[in-house]
Amino acid sequence: GQSLEQPSEVTAVEGAIVQINCTYQTSGFYGLSWYQQHDGGAPTFLSYNALDGLEETGRFSSFLSRSDSYGYLLLQELQMKDSASYFCAVPNRDDKIIFGKGTRLHILP
Amino acid sequence: EAGVAQSPRYKIIEKRQSVAFWCNPISGHATLYWYQQILGQGPKLLIQFQNNGVVDDSQLPKDRFSAERLKGVDSTLKIQPAKLEDSAVYLCASTRQGSTDTQYFGPGTRLTVL
Repeated sequence: GQSLEQPSEVTAVEGAIVQINCTYQTSGFYGLSWYQQHDGGAPTFLSYNALDGLEETGRFSSFLSRSDSYGYLLLQELQMKDSASYFCAVPNRDDKIIFGKGTRLHILP
Repeated sequence: EAGVAQSPRYKIIEKRQSVAFWCNPISGHATLYWYQQILGQGPKLLIQFQNNGVVDDSQLPKDRFSAERLKGVDSTLKIQPAKLEDSAVYLCASTRQGSTDTQYFGPGTRLTVL
């Protein structure tokens, strides 16, 4: 079967660093995406990793290890506006995309 | 470029009534997706179109849900009759080609079934 596992909630302090993990099981692997969704809003794309390693985009970085079927999203210098839900997602060989259940990030002042 | 458009933004109906949602994807995007997102959960794919053909509708409750994308551009999703458990946000997304491309989501339609 196909599945993605990520923690349901994470709490961190403003200005700190937080890591959101995602493990996946899928038929065929083409890459791991991350999306951010604020309450009442639509998911917006953050990053995509097709190859092993770290991809950095400003305060956000995403890491992938294909051998471990594992990736993470790293958020640095946390700001209150980063409070949101974060979803990992993978497409499979049938060109279908599956989303994880999401990790709700709470940021404390 | 204009984003994915959806309407209505909000809809309240009583159970057993019918409802329809509309989506206009980003111009030139071949693939269109309809998702159901229940509060506190991730988006669940209902149906995926490639141009005007269905790629995947395995999770679409076909006894009550239907969708079409007749000219390969905009799409409608219909629920008839609605049940209480259909209360959710219905998201439309599009990609340039397939699921390895970035998904661009519309604002969603929040459906409440009473």
